Amino acid sequence: DAGVIQSPRHEVTEMGQEVTLRCKPISGHDYLFWYRQTMMRGLELLIYFNNNVPIDDSGMPEDRFSAKMPNASFSTLKIQPSEPRDSAVYFCASSGLGTSVRPYTISTDTQYFGPGTRLTVL
Amino acid sequence: GQNIDQPTEMTATEGAIVQINCTYQTSGFNGLFWYQQHAGEAPTFLSYNVLDGLEEKGRFSSFLSRSKGYSYLLLKELQMKDSASYLCAVMGYQKVTFGTGTKLQVIP
Repeated sequence: DAGVIQSPRHEVTEMGQEVTLRCKPISGHDYLFWYRQTMMRGLELLIYFNNNVPIDDSGMPEDRFSAKMPNASFSTLKIQPSEPRDSAVYFCASSGLGTSVRPYTISTDTQYFGPGTRLTVL
Repeated sequence: GQNIDQPTEMTATEGAIVQINCTYQTSGFNGLFWYQQHAGEAPTFLSYNVLDGLEEKGRFSSFLSRSKGYSYLLLKELQMKDSASYLCAVMGYQKVTFGTGTKLQVIP
């Protein structure tokens, strides 16, 4: 499996522009997560989906952020309009395959991260 | 809510043993994870504990005490490539919360 795929890897844009980040989860995983990571705030969960349905979007900073998952193999995170404070690395992660048998080395909650998108808003 | 505490930075010598602690307060507990993150890269899964005790996986071991809200990651025979951030993450009722990570520097 190729793992979680994200695009683009780097994005530089100007304030006010729309930004769309894309993610393809690992095949068979039924959970998909969007995170944002900065030096100041660490890794923050923005939103997560289960079977393509958004479950918890309480981490989405404001209405400028939106996320969709139209099917099991694709998700987008959109920022419109973008602001300099949105500059961060955005990670997508997926989970859902594991075992409930001891030694519990792999949980169905184990998340596998994509390489991230480094977003810079000027 | 959930709160996770871990030291910000640690330094250890190549070949030595280092223990990275994590304490947590959570409403509901369904497991604790450790992730490794090298600079400029994505976090990668290291270990998972849901029951009390020690889980060993090669040079890395992870310990959990649910009654104390405490875990540690033990790294043996440290190598230079172990220099990275180590993230403690707790699975509550419905979602995982990550700590801010411990940046480990391994020196010769």
